[in-house]
Amino acid sequence: GAVVSQHPSWVICKSGTSVKIECRSLDFQATTMFWYRQFPKQSLMLMATSNEGSKATYEQGVEKDKFLINHASLTLSTLTVTSAHPEDSSFYICSARKEGHMNTGELFFGEGSRLTVL
Amino acid sequence: GIQVEQSPPDLILQEGANSTLRCNFSDSVNNLQWFHQNPWGQLINLFYIPSGTKQNGRLSATTVATERYSLLYISSSQTTDSGVYFCAVSGGTSYGKLTFGQGTILTVHP
Repeated sequence: GAVVSQHPSWVICKSGTSVKIECRSLDFQATTMFWYRQFPKQSLMLMATSNEGSKATYEQGVEKDKFLINHASLTLSTLTVTSAHPEDSSFYICSARKEGHMNTGELFFGEGSRLTVL
Repeated sequence: GIQVEQSPPDLILQEGANSTLRCNFSDSVNNLQWFHQNPWGQLINLFYIPSGTKQNGRLSATTVATERYSLLYISSSQTTDSGVYFCAVSGGTSYGKLTFGQGTILTVHP
């Protein structure tokens, strides 16, 4: 397998503040990582694709100015929720896959980060 | 994009029973994965199975790509199997962009 780690696991913030979530691939390099969001009792929805060294690509309906993504290195992507509001409260999960011809397309997910905006 | 449908939405079992979860998808896929989401929200990889059959202990899975479905079998279920099971697929050139089904909520009673 492969290990993907997120931090923090949970965060509570006041409305209007910004929150940063980190996603790290611990034992492999990933030029591409993916950010998903899951509302209570719902499925996971892809928010954006994080590309190392270039801009992220966002899914339709996801505000790129609200959800800032930075893929600073081959093992780290960050998601910053700017000017958070209660409707941004959700479970955010990142994923990545080992790349290279010897690896399959299997995706591995982080533990998730639960954001509550008061 | 690809549509993914899972059935049943809810499943209640007694410990020791067997079950089959189904995942239908609307187009050809290059990736199909089954996950178990634990009570803390973490997604546990069960199978990477875009085609064929795999087994891992009490769990097994089969994907018939030509007929666009996958099945997850759980045998001799245990209370620790409770949780939400997701099927997720990607197709075309979108290798990492998984589309998730709505999940099956499994409850196993002692």
